[in-house]
Amino acid sequence: DAGVIQSPRHEVTEMGQEVTLRCKPISGHDYLFWYRQTMMRGLELLIYFNNNVPIDDSGMPEDRFSAKMPNASFSTLKIQPSEPRDSAVYFCASSLYRGSNQPQHFGDGTRLSIL
Amino acid sequence: AQSVSQHNHHVILSEAASLELGCNYSYGGTVNLFWYVQYPGQHLQLLLKYFSGDPLVKGIKGFEAEFIKSKFSFNLRKPSVQWSDTAEYFCAVRGGSQGNLIFGKGTKLSVKP
Repeated sequence: DAGVIQSPRHEVTEMGQEVTLRCKPISGHDYLFWYRQTMMRGLELLIYFNNNVPIDDSGMPEDRFSAKMPNASFSTLKIQPSEPRDSAVYFCASSLYRGSNQPQHFGDGTRLSIL
Repeated sequence: AQSVSQHNHHVILSEAASLELGCNYSYGGTVNLFWYVQYPGQHLQLLLKYFSGDPLVKGIKGFEAEFIKSKFSFNLRKPSVQWSDTAEYFCAVRGGSQGNLIFGKGTKLSVKP
């Protein structure tokens, strides 16, 4: 079975540019999560969706960050404009809610470097 | 609010030593508990989970964890670590009917050959 698929795996861009990260959750999963991981702050939950609807975006650091889930099989996380402090590994995860005992399955992450 | 505390930031062990990583959570109701492992340069992978029944849960690669409700703890154990267990370990909790997991800050394990 295909797991959570993220693209690109690596992104290097200059500050000020728009960055779009993509995620395809596991088919049938109704929860999708975006995380950011850095050495300084560890693993941070940015936003999560249930049935394509954003449930909690309190972890989104600034208005420069936005996330969408136009359908059950695709989500994007956009940073515009990007800044060097946005450099991190961004993980997408999905899970199936069934009595809350289901784990989250993580993608391989996007390693983002803003120069 | 729910929270998860992992007591050790970095643990260094020699091969064949026994491992115990602490995890405490704060939530008064029914919880589901998870341990994830992240090998260097990789994504988080599920090691084991607890949601009901036997409080001693066995996971992959010889890991186990014990849920002690009275202590709000879910410590991870392995009797004999290997160099390949070098990774970061995250404890996570889901309380009640919430959809998201609350993760601890992680514990880095370094195993010396």
